Amino acid sequence: RKEVEQDPGPFNVPEGATVAFNCTYSNSASQSFFWYRQDCRKEPKLLMSVYSSGNEDGRFTAQLNRASQYISLLIRDSKLSDSATYLCVVRYNFNKFYFGSGTKLNVKP
Amino acid sequence: EADIYQTPRYLVIGTGKKITLECSQTMGHDKMYWYQQDPGMELHLIHYSYGVNSTEKGDLSSESTVSRIRTEHFPLTLESARPSHTSQYLCASRERGDTGELFFGEGSRLTVL
Repeated sequence: RKEVEQDPGPFNVPEGATVAFNCTYSNSASQSFFWYRQDCRKEPKLLMSVYSSGNEDGRFTAQLNRASQYISLLIRDSKLSDSATYLCVVRYNFNKFYFGSGTKLNVKP
Repeated sequence: EADIYQTPRYLVIGTGKKITLECSQTMGHDKMYWYQQDPGMELHLIHYSYGVNSTEKGDLSSESTVSRIRTEHFPLTLESARPSHTSQYLCASRERGDTGELFFGEGSRLTVL
């Protein structure tokens, strides 16, 4: 069983749309949660951390549901530049990070 | 921008050759990692290090080895490359403490013929 599961997509949306991604994780002892962004053939980069209370960074909102072991990312007013693969990441054992295989987003004009 | 560098960026090599992928960071981070990623797939942890002279194997079995003689340097070596080693190798580092941000290098794309 994978540590982190994501819908691979692709999600094809028009500019200005709101899109939501979800992921589930298997280890209830997971300590920290993140969304990373990976552009085609590039390295992953941190988009935002995810907190239990939910957090927002501009057009991006992340939510965590520990009871259901579920993480979400909401992108409002999608831009062409948001096209990328979004990786759900969890950390446990203090130093080990586990990556989902990513959800691909294509924002069309 | 992250100050973590990987060389070579691209390498095409024949079966049986020994290769070393270099990774260096100038941020003074204690923790460093090697991940392997195939196209469209998740990153798999193959090695990590808590600091100098500390290395551990990750969850994905790998025939590669690593060393950490200096804080800034975390090279990965394959003694005898095989086609099954063809993949992208990503090096990352993280500062001490609870911050979750992994800083990645641009990756080394290895093709073994």
